[in-house]
Amino acid sequence: NAGVMQNPRHLVRRRGQEARLRCSPMKGHSHVYWYRQLPEEGLKFMVYLQKENIIDESGMPKERFSAEFPKEGPSILRIQQVVRGDSAAYFCASSLSGPPLHGYTFGSGTRLTVV
Amino acid sequence: GESVGLHLPTLSVQEGDNSIINCAYSNSASDYFIWYKQESGKGPQFIIDIRSNMDKRQGQRVTVLLNKTVKHLSLQIAATQPGDSAVYFCAEMWAGFQKLVFGTGTRLLVSP
Repeated sequence: NAGVMQNPRHLVRRRGQEARLRCSPMKGHSHVYWYRQLPEEGLKFMVYLQKENIIDESGMPKERFSAEFPKEGPSILRIQQVVRGDSAAYFCASSLSGPPLHGYTFGSGTRLTVV
Repeated sequence: GESVGLHLPTLSVQEGDNSIINCAYSNSASDYFIWYKQESGKGPQFIIDIRSNMDKRQGQRVTVLLNKTVKHLSLQIAATQPGDSAVYFCAEMWAGFQKLVFGTGTRLLVSP
């Protein structure tokens, strides 16, 4: 009964490269949420997706960031042309349906470092 | 915008003491609140939640209190243990929305 799986756990990219972060929700969960966390800060909502649909992307930067949750496979958060300010921990959460009865289940995160 | 804040950034207690972590929120439309524990290098771990139609909820060693009049949320941990050392976040969910709005966190340090 695996939880939310995120990979890679750590990712190092040079400025200008692309970063692809993957999130496999808990089995049976069709709702995925991405959050970003800067050091010593709380998590900031980025995007909420259901299978093949973006429901709420109000927290996504307008440029360079995109997210998808295809019918098959994990959800992908893609950051193009990364800059140092993108360095953060990115967390994914999933839920069976919305609103969740017991909150989200979070993955262990991907720590992105841009050098 | 972000509306959840905390009164104390760091709380130091002795093992066995009771701990109280506070949180203020500003969105009166929030109808669901969650406390998370986050250990270094890990994702947030659900502790306890409460809906806006309640003012108190108890779990194992933890109690959440909700005061809607002053928009205040607190987490009480009984008989705090060194394993409770972590950063604690409160989060609120706005009615009709799926996203959580997190506070900035309180670091709890438990000395043996």
